[in-house]
Amino acid sequence: RKEVEQDPGPFNVPEGATVAFNCTYSNSASQSFFWYRQDCRKEPKLLMSVYSSGNEDGRFTAQLNRASQYISLLIRDSKLSDSATYLCVVPGRVDSNYQLIWGAGTKLIIKP
Amino acid sequence: NAGVTQTPKFQVLKTGQSMTLQCAQDMNHEYMSWYRQDPGMGLRLIHYSVGAGITDQGEVPNGYNVSRSTTEDFPLRLLSAAPSQTSVYFCASSPGGLNYGYTFGSGTRLTVV
Repeated sequence: RKEVEQDPGPFNVPEGATVAFNCTYSNSASQSFFWYRQDCRKEPKLLMSVYSSGNEDGRFTAQLNRASQYISLLIRDSKLSDSATYLCVVPGRVDSNYQLIWGAGTKLIIKP
Repeated sequence: NAGVTQTPKFQVLKTGQSMTLQCAQDMNHEYMSWYRQDPGMGLRLIHYSVGAGITDQGEVPNGYNVSRSTTEDFPLRLLSAAPSQTSVYFCASSPGGLNYGYTFGSGTRLTVV
């Protein structure tokens, strides 16, 4: 199992709809979780941090399920500008390093 | 406030050439990292630094060197470029450790021919 796994998509969603996607992780000891968004050919930008059961910021809600080891990102009333790739990030161990482990991302396309 | 500045934005190298990717941040962040991003994969950590004078290897350090002589600057040096190093390189900084969000530079698109 990959350390951090995401459905690559793309998710094609009409404008105004609600969309949700999950990220599964293998490090059960992780205490912090992050969602970044990355526009095409741009750098990742922090969208949300999750330190407990979840977090909400406007139309965006992140929920953590520790028992099943996944975090979800819910986007309500989706906008054309939400089209991007969403990266899930979880601290974990890679070889001898404890570091951030990045999912490959879920591509979201909002259609008018 | 410029954030994290990376140069150059694009570079083409011939196999065997060396070069340095520059990264500077003006947020007084202690943590700085270099990542590479390849299609279909998550970002992979090349090298990182927890403060001036301190660097360490990440997941994929072979073929790269770093130094951190100041808090602001964290250059990445490719020793002898290989086609496998064709990638997009991102520099990132953070005020603390892994529990803080990272700020990224705009990236360097490197092609090795």
